[in-house]
Amino acid sequence: DAKTTQPTSMDCAEGRAANLPCNHSTISGNEYVYWYRQIHSQGPQYIIHGLKNNETNEMASLIITEDRKSSTLILPHATLRDTAVYYCIVRLYMEYGNKLVFGAGTILRVKS
Amino acid sequence: GAVVSQHPSRVICKSGTSVKIECRSLDFQATTMFWYRQFPKQSLMLMATSNEGSKATYEQGVEKDKFLINHASLTLSTLTVTSAHPEDSSFYICSAPLPRPTGNTIYFGEGSWLTVV
Repeated sequence: DAKTTQPTSMDCAEGRAANLPCNHSTISGNEYVYWYRQIHSQGPQYIIHGLKNNETNEMASLIITEDRKSSTLILPHATLRDTAVYYCIVRLYMEYGNKLVFGAGTILRVKS
Repeated sequence: GAVVSQHPSRVICKSGTSVKIECRSLDFQATTMFWYRQFPKQSLMLMATSNEGSKATYEQGVEKDKFLINHASLTLSTLTVTSAHPEDSSFYICSAPLPRPTGNTIYFGEGSWLTVV
């Protein structure tokens, strides 16, 4: 799986958009970008995934650059409960048995 | 709601004893499940891939005789920590891919805190 690079930590004001970047310059054509988050002492929570088009769901938006070498997860209106570690992972989409390999992630602190 | 469930959420055991953690897929079949461990302030480390009906595949450096994995049915995988020691105290997390049409997106259980005293 391609490796990803994320900032160690970020701060965001409550109610503002949180933009979390991720670099994945060695991503291959059939690998998807996945985002998970982990709130303290809980299992990771799936957020969103995408291949090359921008994606949006009820939790977040995912913006992938045209060359697919980087992406940004956007939480449109961050709340205190969004404080967590956010992981960006690339993975083959349709491979059932394909595992997720976690990096260090980004610690997002949402402050009032 | 949750699609993967773990039990117990917390367990304390004495050194030298064995402890079993269960991972269940809820309302779907999972022929593959993944087990991770996480130490405080560290990321998740993949331990092994559990395969229904066959042997688990362990990651490099993980002792297969210490961390026994059994995937006895299409909805249940168990991790048994044998002859536990205090250094085995950790957060253990399982996960399973939800089959198509969701694209095999992997979902995680709530995690199990193991404390060995």
